[in-house]
Amino acid sequence: AQKVTQAQTEISVVEKEDVTLDCVYETRDTTYYLFWYKQPPSGELVFLIRRNSFDEQNEISGRYSWNFQKSTSSFNFTITASQVVDSAVYFCALSEEYSGYSTLTFGKGTMLLVSP
Amino acid sequence: SQTIHQWPATLVQPVGSPLSLECTVEGTSNPNLYWYRQAAGRGLQLLFYSVGIGQISSEVPQNLSASRPQDRQFILSSKKLLLSDSGFYLCAWSDSSYNSPLHFGNGTRLTVT
Repeated sequence: AQKVTQAQTEISVVEKEDVTLDCVYETRDTTYYLFWYKQPPSGELVFLIRRNSFDEQNEISGRYSWNFQKSTSSFNFTITASQVVDSAVYFCALSEEYSGYSTLTFGKGTMLLVSP
Repeated sequence: SQTIHQWPATLVQPVGSPLSLECTVEGTSNPNLYWYRQAAGRGLQLLFYSVGIGQISSEVPQNLSASRPQDRQFILSSKKLLLSDSGFYLCAWSDSSYNSPLHFGNGTRLTVT
């Protein structure tokens, strides 16, 4: 069975600090996909990134970067120079490739509070 | 571009009353559709998914049901609400390719009193 663990329940930082959100996953499949979503206080989940298990290249998008390490089954998310607008709950999710629809297993989320 | 609409945004219903939440998607055809519930504690639970009109799969047995009367319409229903049905309900869509990202609506906050 697949499982996603986000051990950090809540993180508080001051604006401009860098922050890393941890995600550890478990799966028996060799082909799988990893996702990060952001849930701001308004409630909707916003898709941030998808990474497949064959692509271990790190990705950077503006202040966001993702570090995928298969050896440790981790897909960590770093926000550089955090801003108040980054305050949200962040979810890591895993999807195994076995059907024609997306069944995501979500972690419990990490609440990030960025204070001015 | 694709958009997803979900309503109502908030709902307060007494125990034993019926429920109907509606979700529609625009800008795409034959999407996969999903209903998730987010209870207190933030965990997201998949309730139903649909890969086509009239095709509904349930992930969790409960007193909720889902229907897909049109290609881009997904409805979550209950005949009699329980207190435990309170939560934040999210509709989502994805395209039909493998492991495509889910795109979520704004959610409905349901309180059963």
